[in-house]
Amino acid sequence: AQKITQTQPGMFVQEKEAVTLDCTYDTSDQSYGLFWYKQPSSGEMIFLIYQGSYDEQNATEGRYSLNFQKARKSANLVISASQLGDSAMYFCAMREQTSYDKVIFGPGTSLSVIP
Amino acid sequence: EAQVTQNPRYLITVTGKKLTVTCSQNMNHEYMSWYRQDPGLGLRQIYYSMNVEVTDKGDVPEGYKVSRKEKRNFPLILESPSPNQTSLYFCASSLVTVGSYNEQFFGPGTRLTVL
Repeated sequence: AQKITQTQPGMFVQEKEAVTLDCTYDTSDQSYGLFWYKQPSSGEMIFLIYQGSYDEQNATEGRYSLNFQKARKSANLVISASQLGDSAMYFCAMREQTSYDKVIFGPGTSLSVIP
Repeated sequence: EAQVTQNPRYLITVTGKKLTVTCSQNMNHEYMSWYRQDPGLGLRQIYYSMNVEVTDKGDVPEGYKVSRKEKRNFPLILESPSPNQTSLYFCASSLVTVGSYNEQFFGPGTRLTVL
């Protein structure tokens, strides 16, 4: 069974608008970490934001915020005020306590920002 | 500059010809990992290492070998490459902190084509 689900293969957003990229996960661990990475067309993987399962506050990093709903096992990425440079693939990933050394990635969402 | 380096960046080879992709990090990270990225599948973990002389299989280890003789280096070896190993390969590293989940730093990627 897939542990990380990203149900939106492709998304479009108007420049300066906000967009939410969905991520749901499956784990029986109480302690885990969730990550979002960005991959622009140039190919490199860029870390964006992290949320720990015990963190009481939703993580924020500049224009990125994570809408963490633990009971629903979702960790959606919100990008505010989209810019053309936000066009990229976005991957959700998880590290679990019982298998800390394994990192699981979702299939990714391709975001296109329209001028 | 803190970084993960991979070489070569691009490689075209033929079936059965042994090859090695090197990976090196200068951040004194304990954890290193190899992934392959294929369209629609996200990143899948091939092998990982929690420290020197400690390596273990990820989700797709068949056809690959690794070694971790030094902390900074984690080469990926394809003893007898086959066309289904044509992919984009990433090396990544991270700290290991008890009670925390650290983000990974990625190399620039190696695009491998096996004819």
